Amino acid sequence: AQTVTQSQPEMSVQEAETVTLSCTYDTSENNYYLFWYKQPPSRQMILVIRQEAYKQQNATENRFSVNFQKAAKSFSLKISDSQLGDTAMYFCAFLQKGSNDYKLSFGAGTTVTVRA
Amino acid sequence: NAGVTQTPKFRILKIGQSMTLQCTQDMNHNYMYWYRQDPGMGLKLIYYSVGAGITDKGEVPNGYNVSRSTTEDFPLRLELAAPSQTSVYFCASSPNSGGAYEQYFGPGTRLTVT
Repeated sequence: AQTVTQSQPEMSVQEAETVTLSCTYDTSENNYYLFWYKQPPSRQMILVIRQEAYKQQNATENRFSVNFQKAAKSFSLKISDSQLGDTAMYFCAFLQKGSNDYKLSFGAGTTVTVRA
Repeated sequence: NAGVTQTPKFRILKIGQSMTLQCTQDMNHNYMYWYRQDPGMGLKLIYYSVGAGITDKGEVPNGYNVSRSTTEDFPLRLELAAPSQTSVYFCASSPNSGGAYEQYFGPGTRLTVT
């Protein structure tokens, strides 16, 4: 089974500042997807950004961007110009292409608090 | 669009009781999933379904059962509830498998077994 590790249980950031969340994963495969999900206090899981392993270019979605380092098996999320609405738990997730391509493996999450 | 809906939102069960968590999606998705989220942890897959009449076990299936008689509905049954099943349960759906297809999540059911 794939292992996804988020080493930062909690992060705090001032509004309008930037915060970076770390994620590492363990796999021996080459073809996979990586995701960041956001879970605000409402508990609704929301997809923030996804990255395909074969794409070298880092994915970007508005204020959210990733730094994908395939050789290091690292997938960090940068939130720029943080807003109060970004306060949430953020989960890194891994999905293997192929016969198990339904199975998302999640990290333990990082709680982000944006301070006014 | 309602998306993925789950009922109930909250439930308290006594040890040994049974219940069914309901999940319905209105997006005509083939794939449906049940996850549980324990405090301070990520989600773990309990069961999944690739279409009506087809279900299979995920990572943590013990103590649960599912059925998929229609495309829309994917109920999760807990038999003989145990304190270890205290968790938040999420249902999700996707049009197909694979990372190109986003999994859409319901709002969750918080279950406490005492």
